[in-house]
Amino acid sequence: TQLLEQSPQFLSIQEGENLTVYCNSSSVFSSLQWYRQEPGEGPVLLVTVVTGGEVKKLKRLTFQFGDARKDSSLHITAAQPGDTGLYLCAGGDSSYKLIFGSGTRLLVRP
Amino acid sequence: GAGVSQSPSNKVTEKGKDVELRCDPISGHTALYWYRQSLGQGLEFLIYFQGNSAPDKSGLPSDRFSAERTGGSVSTLTIQRTQQEDSAVYLCASSLGAGGYEQYFGPGTRLTVT
Repeated sequence: TQLLEQSPQFLSIQEGENLTVYCNSSSVFSSLQWYRQEPGEGPVLLVTVVTGGEVKKLKRLTFQFGDARKDSSLHITAAQPGDTGLYLCAGGDSSYKLIFGSGTRLLVRP
Repeated sequence: GAGVSQSPSNKVTEKGKDVELRCDPISGHTALYWYRQSLGQGLEFLIYFQGNSAPDKSGLPSDRFSAERTGGSVSTLTIQRTQQEDSAVYLCASSLGAGGYEQYFGPGTRLTVT
């Protein structure tokens, strides 16, 4: 059974601080996606990484896929209150299925 | 264009009653997924439809759960004889196809079984 573990489960930080969220598995994935979900809404895709060692940047967000394609990290620089939400990683294989992690709930205090 | 829509947005039902949840995918999307999300947790895969192929029902937790997709578009998730542990947010997503296409999620239906 493929599992994705995210850490930390909850993070409360002050505006302007940096943070990193981790997504780990013992399984290899062909792709890794990161989503952000706000209360009352469905998850929204932020990025997809497909190559081991790949790094993608989206403004203040940096995503990295591990060399072995078993883990990933999301780093946010100078967090803002608008970054508040539930961050979910999801691993994909060559089929249609995505395996979702349990999520990291981020609260950025003004 | 319109995104994925789901109805109702909230549903409160008594234990033992049946409920139907509806999903309208993005027009032209051939793949449709149902997920379940417990409070603040990750998503649990329930069922997948792709075009005219037989659906993948491997994630349905019990035979009280069923889903259909009519005309390759609208989908209905039915839960019979609801139990309190069925309380969750039920999310629907659609994508252009299978295997690596971005999934677009609806806002979900929050189901509360009393």
